[in-house]
Amino acid sequence: GAVVSQHPSWVICKSGTSVKIECRSLDFQATTMFWYRQFPKQSLMLMATSNEGSKATYEQGVEKDKFLINHASLTLSTLTVTSAHPEDSSFYICSAPTSGGAGETQYFGPGTRLLVL
Amino acid sequence: KQEVTQIPAALSVPEGENLVLNCSFTDSAIYNLQWFRQDPGKGLTSLLLIQSSQREQTSGRLNASLDKSSGRSTLYIAASQPGDSATYLCAALKTSYDKVIFGPGTSLSVIP
Repeated sequence: GAVVSQHPSWVICKSGTSVKIECRSLDFQATTMFWYRQFPKQSLMLMATSNEGSKATYEQGVEKDKFLINHASLTLSTLTVTSAHPEDSSFYICSAPTSGGAGETQYFGPGTRLLVL
Repeated sequence: KQEVTQIPAALSVPEGENLVLNCSFTDSAIYNLQWFRQDPGKGLTSLLLIQSSQREQTSGRLNASLDKSSGRSTLYIAASQPGDSATYLCAALKTSYDKVIFGPGTSLSVIP
């Protein structure tokens, strides 16, 4: 089945630093990928939609200058948390839809846990 | 705008009981509905996926049903085990290329 990977799986950083998270579709191409985040004891909420070759679209309340998204190829989207602060500590997860055919769905990466000290 | 809710928010049952988790969605125009399991501090594990044309899916002790007309899905867990303790999320997908809308989850604790 389709596989989506994320790297790193967890990261601890100091406040003010930037952190890059990669999302890769390993055996299929994804022109669109989605980034979600999950705060402790809450459900997953969509942050932004990553579009290959064009700008990402952000959900209301998500700062596009703080969460930079680059979808440079059909298999890779990156999320960079710039000048991270403790309130950015969260679980970040990406998903990618498969292309073509019936019965398809989206596949989720294993997630990246970010802790900002 | 699609909204997904889950009842109950938390559930504690003794081992061996059968249980039902409920999920409701406001927009019946869905592509599929999926049930996930999430262990503390971990990612998502897909349990069952029901396409919009289907009414139920089964995997082992798990059975998920879908009633689009009423905007409801249920996850039935038979003969619960302590290893079933986790948070269960339902998620609705409008189209295969659209975002997934997650419910808030049901936290299940199965007591030995």
